[in-house]
Amino acid sequence: GESVGLHLPTLSVQEGDNSIINCAYSNSASDYFIWYKQESGKGPQFIIDIRSNMDKRQGQRVTVLLNKTVKHLSLQIAATQPGDSAVYFCAEKGTGANSKLTFGKGITLSVRP
Amino acid sequence: GAVVSQHPSWVICKSGTSVKIECRSLDFQATTMFWYRQFPKQSLMLMATSNEGSKATYEQGVEKDKFLINHASLTLSTLTVTSAHPEDSSFYICSARLAGVSNQPQHFGDGTRLSIL
Repeated sequence: GESVGLHLPTLSVQEGDNSIINCAYSNSASDYFIWYKQESGKGPQFIIDIRSNMDKRQGQRVTVLLNKTVKHLSLQIAATQPGDSAVYFCAEKGTGANSKLTFGKGITLSVRP
Repeated sequence: GAVVSQHPSWVICKSGTSVKIECRSLDFQATTMFWYRQFPKQSLMLMATSNEGSKATYEQGVEKDKFLINHASLTLSTLTVTSAHPEDSSFYICSARLAGVSNQPQHFGDGTRLSIL
């Protein structure tokens, strides 16, 4: 069936370096994508989203890239900080008002001081 | 903006007890709310979609008589785990989406940790 998955289960980066978290999706009909950050014991927190008519979107210290040709989504975090340590999920949503959000498996980002 | 409040944050109770979890959208109206379940080190699994004023839509494998959902207003949905057993212990998270707007992010509550003894 359709699924959203992540390439790596964990990512360890040095404080101050840039982080890149990758996500592959298989539903070519998906038209909306979101990255969430989940800290321990809390619910997912919205980071940034992108629609399928775009290939790049920037926020504060974060950039999301969408490559529809290879069905790939990535989250780039500039100057990674200890507070960025969390589990990151990509999520995709298909077309239609009743389409559901499907989450990827999650990747743990660990920032080394 | 777009704050979702979930209560309680932690529940410990005996087997056979029914537990109610509330989900409120504090500063926006949500015709649709979602209930998820998350086991340790796993992703979020959608249990059901809660629609204001109508019956909830449950995902395959989720027992509607076990997990009762009520969405009586545009700002409140409740999930009741009836006759809870240890296997129901999990992290339950609700989410809400702004009414009448497509392709907007879902906003999540901080979850309810349910532990059944």
